[in-house]
Amino acid sequence: DGGITQSPKYLFRKEGQNVTLSCEQNLNHDAMYWYRQDPGQGLRLIYYSQIVNDFQKGDIAEGYSVSREKKESFPLTVTSAQKNPTAFYLCASGSHHQETQYFGPGTRLLVL
Amino acid sequence: GENVEQHPSTLSVQEGDSAVIKCTYSDSASNYFPWYKQELGKRPQLIIDIRSNVGEKKDQRIAVTLNKTAKHFSLHITETQPEDSAVYFCAASNWEGGSEKLVFGKGTKLTVNP
Repeated sequence: DGGITQSPKYLFRKEGQNVTLSCEQNLNHDAMYWYRQDPGQGLRLIYYSQIVNDFQKGDIAEGYSVSREKKESFPLTVTSAQKNPTAFYLCASGSHHQETQYFGPGTRLLVL
Repeated sequence: GENVEQHPSTLSVQEGDSAVIKCTYSDSASNYFPWYKQELGKRPQLIIDIRSNVGEKKDQRIAVTLNKTAKHFSLHITETQPEDSAVYFCAASNWEGGSEKLVFGKGTKLTVNP
């Protein structure tokens, strides 16, 4: 999982602002995922992508958007429609030939 | 869809004792069950996983058991050490060779007291 990077480590959002979280992997994985982690809530799936130029909503997609223009990259935008964005955001990737998902180091989003 | 319940939410043990964390799942089609360890502020790290064609798997001090009939699986840590202190998550998925959505339990905070 050292081949997955996320930036920035901390991100501050102002009211009404859209912010974008970066996720990059050099593991040649086809699938990529975004999770949100809140205290005591475990990991909840926001969006996932199994192939370039295609992605699906997870369980809590409202207020978020993604793109998958390159195999290595899966950025997440937290829009102003997400009213409670403060959380720890984790990106993960996996291979179509193996069930295991590997996580990036995470981005902590805070609201000013 | 799949639902994963995890118990207990917190667990405190003395160094050297064993720790057991239990999870139940709802979808009988689930066939892959990983366990992740997450230290404070860090990423979840896979520590062990089991597939539905196996009832038990061991890796040094860690073991996982699966009961498909009852739809539950458990993590066993023996001879616990202070560095085992972390939050542990179980998960389940229906792996179909290219489409995997992991559903996670809410986590167990394990504290190992020296």
